[in-house]
Amino acid sequence: QKEVEQNSGPLSVPEGAIASLNCTYSDRVSQSFFWYRQYSGKSPELIMSIYSNGDKEDGRFTAQLNKASQYVSLLIRDSQPSDSATYLCAVIRGSTLGRLYFGRGTQLTVWP
Amino acid sequence: GAGVSQSPSNKVTEKGKDVELRCDPISGHTALYWYRQSLGQGLEFLIYFQGNSAPDKSGLPSDRFSAERTGGSVSTLTIQRTQQEDSAVYLCASSSQGRSGETQYFGPGTRLLVL
Repeated sequence: QKEVEQNSGPLSVPEGAIASLNCTYSDRVSQSFFWYRQYSGKSPELIMSIYSNGDKEDGRFTAQLNKASQYVSLLIRDSQPSDSATYLCAVIRGSTLGRLYFGRGTQLTVWP
Repeated sequence: GAGVSQSPSNKVTEKGKDVELRCDPISGHTALYWYRQSLGQGLEFLIYFQGNSAPDKSGLPSDRFSAERTGGSVSTLTIQRTQQEDSAVYLCASSSQGRSGETQYFGPGTRLLVL
């Protein structure tokens, strides 16, 4: 089992819709969770981090963490064509401080 | 301020040659990471530096890969006797102190193609 798994996608939503991206992780003692956005040919950029159970909102983005279910998600409200990118879920496990474990990514397309 | 920089941005080499990839982290960041991103493999960790020492080099795929960091700043990733499967984008990231939860900032990457 991979350390971090993401819904395979690709995901396609119309402009203005809510895009929902999901991620599960295998290490129960994982501490920190991140969502990175990667445009084609570019490097990953951080859009959200979350460390405790519940929701964290930042503008149109909401990250949700459920440690009991080992599940983290990202909701993008009012999706825009500029949100079209690959979204990477990343986790820092309890035993390996600093090192990020990445999922394979979910490709999102927002069509006008 | 300046972000993480990497050079070269692109490198084409012949199988069997050695290559050196350079990373210049954000000024003052003590933690530096190398990752590799290849088609079908996603983003995989290679090595982590805290200052000039590498407490975690478990991701280096073979002994052809080595890395060093000098002066707590610039890092060089060296691949000896390159193979075609080494073709990938090599990404460097840095964070302030390497503590859990810190944001890792990525450089633009070096695209390596081994012919």
